[in-house]
Amino acid sequence: QQPVQSPQAVILREGEDAVINCSSSKALYSVHWYRQKHGEAPVFLMILLKGGEQKGHEKISASFNEKKQQSSLYLTASQLSYSGTYFCGTEVSRFYNQGGKLIFGQGTELSVKP
Amino acid sequence: NAGVTQTPKFRILKIGQSMTLQCTQDMNHNYMYWYRQDPGMGLKLIYYSVGAGITDKGEVPNGYNVSRSTTEDFPLRLELAAPSQTSVYFCASSYSEQPQHFGDGTRLSIL
Repeated sequence: QQPVQSPQAVILREGEDAVINCSSSKALYSVHWYRQKHGEAPVFLMILLKGGEQKGHEKISASFNEKKQQSSLYLTASQLSYSGTYFCGTEVSRFYNQGGKLIFGQGTELSVKP
Repeated sequence: NAGVTQTPKFRILKIGQSMTLQCTQDMNHNYMYWYRQDPGMGLKLIYYSVGAGITDKGEVPNGYNVSRSTTEDFPLRLELAAPSQTSVYFCASSYSEQPQHFGDGTRLSIL
């Protein structure tokens, strides 16, 4: 079942912060985050494995709450280059032949204005 | 370093025609995937493969077929094209459950 992302869209001014949430009704093994700019391919940001470990990449970080089956992506001090659509991809199993199979959310469109 | 290469980049098909979307990767990744992305929507998994000779259905496999005879190549076949298959198709690869690397996509219109 497709994870649900919120909000669907957000507009920020440069320097502002944002949080994007990804919720699943299924127990998750991992959550992957990708960013896609208009007309381009998705680009990997980070993977969160079950265990609740928070990951960071410059001013973008993420967490995974295993009890709630929810992941949040945190963008701090946003830059113009952060604009794009953010997708979470959820992995429910790593049994044989099922690993790596991601179900993606519908995306969150982020616009950063000067 | 080419990464994941998809051909063609654009294609217009007539209803009922067939075609093969090509995907090749040079990173020696064992896992490969095909997704479709409709306008303003997320990625839907069509088929995936965990190695040569092994393929499995994803969320939306109807109307498509795949094969994986080599590690590098993972072609997607559309039989009897329908307007509902108008979409952008992305191929991706990964080393097992590691991050997926995407190709630039094939924009397909069926008229």
